[in-house]
Amino acid sequence: QSALTQPASVSGSPGQSITISCTGTSSDVGAYNHVSWYQHHPGKAPKLMIYDVSYRPSGISNRFAGSKSANTASLTISGLQAEDEADYYCSSYASIRVVFGGGTKVTVL
Amino acid sequence: QVQLQESGPGLVKPSQTLSLTCTVSGDSLSSGDHYWTWVRQPPGKGLEWIGYTYNSGNTYYSPSLSSRLSMSVDTSKNQFSLKLSSVTAADTAVYYCARDRGYGVNDYWGQGTLVTVSS
Repeated sequence: QSALTQPASVSGSPGQSITISCTGTSSDVGAYNHVSWYQHHPGKAPKLMIYDVSYRPSGISNRFAGSKSANTASLTISGLQAEDEADYYCSSYASIRVVFGGGTKVTVL
Repeated sequence: QVQLQESGPGLVKPSQTLSLTCTVSGDSLSSGDHYWTWVRQPPGKGLEWIGYTYNSGNTYYSPSLSSRLSMSVDTSKNQFSLKLSSVTAADTAVYYCARDRGYGVNDYWGQGTLVTVSS
């Protein structure tokens, strides 16, 4: 099972909005509304930011928003802040198994 | 508050078996409400889903690792474990355990433990 495709890096200035794409296939992203997004600061545990395409867990800022169209999911971070600088991973349920994206490094300029 | 903590050797020799345990607090593995997952991150690379197990003993593995993989749950100790056999340098990674509340939604994670495969 191939990893989902994410851009290697995305950058933006404080206050701007950025969008990270996550492209899969009709067997994973396109087949299920079970896409999650994780924020990962090096040396720390990954943190769930979005689940089931667009739902935010309790305590997650509404600056983070998820969406999906066909085989591509997206994470938008609005009002970019310095603490948003991290690696972001998407994942998708894929018929019992789970597949992750390759990760996107977000840099706040 | 749910907490997970990985434990196990930090160094494993090639061809041997990597064994890790995840101790869970704040949730009961015997409740059957969640799946219990392992994810790894090789140095400089992204996250890789390894597989998950359920308190019934059902397991679901990554196809690329399934021939070498074994997972289990010990409800008496509130722990779950991973065994990966015939390891090579490619299995060097930070290994994370996590709670999956269903459909790959990992809501709680351990801090991760680095396992190096080297002679």
